[in-house]
Amino acid sequence: GAGVSQSPSNKVTEKGKDVELRCDPISGHTALYWYRQSLGQGLEFLIYFQGNSAPDKSGLPSDRFSAERTGGSVSTLTIQRTQQEDSAVYLCASSLSTGSGYTFGSGTRLTVV
Amino acid sequence: GNSVTQMEGPVTLSEEAFLTINCTYTATGYPSLFWYVQYPGEGLQLLLKATKADDKGSNKGFEATYRKETTSFHLEKGSVQVSDSAVYFCALSENSGYSTLTFGKGTMLLVSP
Repeated sequence: GAGVSQSPSNKVTEKGKDVELRCDPISGHTALYWYRQSLGQGLEFLIYFQGNSAPDKSGLPSDRFSAERTGGSVSTLTIQRTQQEDSAVYLCASSLSTGSGYTFGSGTRLTVV
Repeated sequence: GNSVTQMEGPVTLSEEAFLTINCTYTATGYPSLFWYVQYPGEGLQLLLKATKADDKGSNKGFEATYRKETTSFHLEKGSVQVSDSAVYFCALSENSGYSTLTFGKGTMLLVSP
């Protein structure tokens, strides 16, 4: 597609439920990133996929968070047993290469009640 | 590790005023530097970038110069408009292979008529 598409744009969930967030990167972009934007915390790196290499999961805050990227394209970020501190905007980005900068999606605003 | 420090906001200016948002960084090697902008209700957009020392990135009247000696990448605009009101993020990525972006916490700019 023309841009990075994320769905849903908003998600309200009850504490303890699992959620899945989806990202469709720009066609042909080999790198895909997930970030979390919390109020007053800036952007926090979560996970990075590059081609067929093993993903860099160093930013995932706990084992409740996981992500996969199927066929080198669409990615799903899963949060199990959601907690209130998981409330944030989850941003996905893709890029051709590091030096070119990222193209971000509009994000998914997750609210855990 | 890598880090980016931005001036805290909000920065409040009148239309046509001069803008400076300070950004300094800590990195190993020679990173690429970026400014991203997030308009209200939207995702992050790449505003400008510089990939080596003394490079100047520019876009939409905004400029930033990569200063290796002071490890800085300050954002400037000669005459701001109300439509420039947004949150501005400074970021860096290492140039060695693929790496993730490290962001500052963002600086909110509010421009009044």
